[in-house]
Amino acid sequence: TQLLEQSPQFLSIQEGENLTVYCNSSSVFSSLQWYRQEPGEGPVLLVTVVTGGEVKKLKRLTFQFGDARKDSSLHITAAQPGDTGLYLCAGMNRDDKIIFGKGTRLHILP
Amino acid sequence: DTEVTQTPKHLVMGMTNKKSLKCEQHMGHRAMYWYKQKAKKPPELMFVYSYEKLSINESVPSRFSPECPNSSLLNLHLHALQPEDSALYLCASSQEGLLMSYNEQFFGPGTRLTVL
Repeated sequence: TQLLEQSPQFLSIQEGENLTVYCNSSSVFSSLQWYRQEPGEGPVLLVTVVTGGEVKKLKRLTFQFGDARKDSSLHITAAQPGDTGLYLCAGMNRDDKIIFGKGTRLHILP
Repeated sequence: DTEVTQTPKHLVMGMTNKKSLKCEQHMGHRAMYWYKQKAKKPPELMFVYSYEKLSINESVPSRFSPECPNSSLLNLHLHALQPEDSALYLCASSQEGLLMSYNEQFFGPGTRLTVL
């Protein structure tokens, strides 16, 4: 079974600090998506990574896809309270089913 | 229009009621999805429609009945639900059907369902 493991599950840091969250699998994915979800709302797509080793930047957020396309990371520079939320990675497995990781719940303290 | 809309935003129903959740998108997407999300958990896939045909049913109980009247609309009919069915129900759409691996999904805001 293809799984996406996200770590850490929870992260609470001060405003202005940097952080990295991870999405790992033992399987290869053709692409991975990162979403952010705020309480009571639907997930919002942040980025899709497709090519092994790819790096994408979205303002203070940097996304990287592993060379072997089995893992991805999200790095946030100078975190702000508005970054608080649930960060989910998702990918399509060999059975053409979309699977989600369990998410990283991020809380930025002002 | 780059939005997925869902109605109602909140719904409270009894176990004997029949209700429907509605989802609409006008992005020309050909795949639409229903997810169930319990508190502090990731979304769980329930159904996928691809080109208006039901492609995936993740062993969902028959008290949930999906319907795709056209390529822009997706309904979820509810009947005889249980309190444990209380959750946030999310609709999503993506540009192509399941055969496309570049599967970016756009989510609606969800319907918060409470079953009494």
